Amino acid sequence: NAGVTQTPKFQVLKTGQSMTLQCAQDMNHNSMYWYRQDPGMGLRLIYYSASEGTTDKGEVPNGYNVSRLNKREFSLRLESAAPSQTSVYFCASSENLNTEAFFGQGTRLTVV
Amino acid sequence: EDQVTQSPEALRLQEGESSSLNCSYTVSGLRGLFWYRQDPGKGPEFLFTLYSAGEEKEKERLKATLTKKESFLHITAPKPEDSATYLCAVQVAGSARQLTFGSGTQLTVLP
Repeated sequence: NAGVTQTPKFQVLKTGQSMTLQCAQDMNHNSMYWYRQDPGMGLRLIYYSASEGTTDKGEVPNGYNVSRLNKREFSLRLESAAPSQTSVYFCASSENLNTEAFFGQGTRLTVV
Repeated sequence: EDQVTQSPEALRLQEGESSSLNCSYTVSGLRGLFWYRQDPGKGPEFLFTLYSAGEEKEKERLKATLTKKESFLHITAPKPEDSATYLCAVQVAGSARQLTFGSGTQLTVLP
């Protein structure tokens, strides 16, 4: 059981570069999420997708875009990376918005 | 503003020494409270969901309880493999999309 798979696991970017973080789930979940985790600040929601074809902003959406490619896949794009986006990024999925979320292993992103 | 505060920030226990972790919350209306375990370099792993005051849930050495203002995660006779960061998160009624997470309690169980 793969669950939620994120790629890449590690990435170093230069300021101004762009990249896309990929996420796929094999649990047939309707809802998917992108969080970032910073020391002392807990997990914060960037964007979420309640169901295929919909996306909405979370608590900290600035500087990011998302695409719900199909029911399985939800990608996060940084168009012009900034050092403030250095963080660990987690993708998660849940059966619907009211049920528990299952998380991927994370992507550690450093912007220099 | 919805707030979730976990205490203590860090806790060191001897193997077999039971204790409790606290998650206090201030929200306009609670839909659910979630507990997760996170190992270093890994994503959070779901443990429990609690929905109403007085509810309790157990899993092996862990027991979660909920009141109107806080939740406790009781750890009975912990083992070194229970060492991890424990996160709680609240989901506010009427705001189904967003979990507000606490900063976590880092638990270390010494053999």
